[in-house]
Amino acid sequence: AQSVTQPDIHITVSEGASLELRCNYSYGATPYLFWYVQSPGQGLQLLLKYFSGDTLVQGIKGFEAEFKRSQSSFNLRKPSVHWSDAAEYFCAVDLSRGGGTSYGKLTFGQGTILTVHP
Amino acid sequence: DGGITQSPKYLFRKEGQNVTLSCEQNLNHDAMYWYRQDPGQGLRLIYYSQIVNDFQKGDIAEGYSVSREKKESFPLTVTSAQKNPTAFYLCASSIRGSGYTFGSGTRLTVV
Repeated sequence: AQSVTQPDIHITVSEGASLELRCNYSYGATPYLFWYVQSPGQGLQLLLKYFSGDTLVQGIKGFEAEFKRSQSSFNLRKPSVHWSDAAEYFCAVDLSRGGGTSYGKLTFGQGTILTVHP
Repeated sequence: DGGITQSPKYLFRKEGQNVTLSCEQNLNHDAMYWYRQDPGQGLRLIYYSQIVNDFQKGDIAEGYSVSREKKESFPLTVTSAQKNPTAFYLCASSIRGSGYTFGSGTRLTVV
């Protein structure tokens, strides 16, 4: 079955440290790939997306993500975390690239909660 | 600016009462979605609509109903059949390959 896995439910880092959030997907073709961030009580905001081309994509708030086809992964990174980055992060895939009727419907991972220590 | 508006931000429901959550978008997106979010359970799809006057059940449609009479609007009704409706509800819209634009959510509480 097609799925998205975020192996880490909760990650804690110190402010200024580097960050990597993992995301793996299970799908035959390369889907469209997304990372979203959600602050408590808010909707989700798009950080970045990958459709094709350069496998390292830059997003907002200093985030980047690297697509690795061989590992079916799309990990999110930030070189230096700020206290304001504390939030929940969701990886998502759009499987409509391979055709079918999903028409842009996203499949989400379970989310990773990021805590930042001062 | 284009976006999605969800209202109200907070909603209180009495036992046995139906309530309707509003979702309006001015992005000219064809597809719209409703998700439910509970602590530790990620996003669960309730209903989605790819075109006006058509919609499909998601993973947890029981106790919910929707309509899509206009492209811009996709209201969600939480019926009395939904036994545990207290949750955070998110509406989103999309065009193919674009990802979602989300609303800011409605927090529903049963009192």
